Amino acid sequence: RKEVEQDPGPFNVPEGATVAFNCTYSNSASQSFFWYRQDCRKEPKLLMSVYSSGNEDGRFTAQLNRASQYISLLIRDSKLSDSATYLCVVNRGYKYIFGTGTRLKVLA
Amino acid sequence: EPEVTQTPSHQVTQMGQEVILRCVPISNHLYFYWYRQILGQKVEFLVSFYNNEISEKSEIFDDQFSVERPDGSNFTLKIRSTKLEDSAMYFCASTPYEGRELFFGEGSRLTVL
Repeated sequence: RKEVEQDPGPFNVPEGATVAFNCTYSNSASQSFFWYRQDCRKEPKLLMSVYSSGNEDGRFTAQLNRASQYISLLIRDSKLSDSATYLCVVNRGYKYIFGTGTRLKVLA
Repeated sequence: EPEVTQTPSHQVTQMGQEVILRCVPISNHLYFYWYRQILGQKVEFLVSFYNNEISEKSEIFDDQFSVERPDGSNFTLKIRSTKLEDSAMYFCASTPYEGRELFFGEGSRLTVL
């Protein structure tokens, strides 16, 4: 079983739609959690850290459920510029493990 | 805004040659990482480095790979004898504290012919 699992997509959604991504992790010793965004052939860029209490940054909301070992990302009012791959990242000690990423394409 | 810088942005080399990829992490960061991403695949952990030694490495990071922090600013990844399958984008990352978010450089694309 992969340590961090994501649905690879692609998710094709119209502009203005709400889209949700999920991620599961297998190691209960995991300590911190992040969503990164990666554009084609570019470096991953931090979108947001994820906390058990949930956190929101504008149109983006992230949630962590430690009991179910599950992380989510919700994007509201999708923009064309949101088209990218969204990477779920889990930290355990000195290691940060990446999921395969979920591709999002927002259509005009 | 401080950033992680990597050189070269692209290197083409012949199979069997040695390659050194260079990184300058953000100056007050203490933890350093190398990742690789083969085209179309996931970002894979290679190695983490803290307090002048390797803290963790993956099964990919075999004897052909080594890392070094030769001075107070540079962090290098050396591949001793490149193989075709080493062709990938190599990302350097750093963070000030364990468990905080990683900051990535723009990557070094390595092409092995």
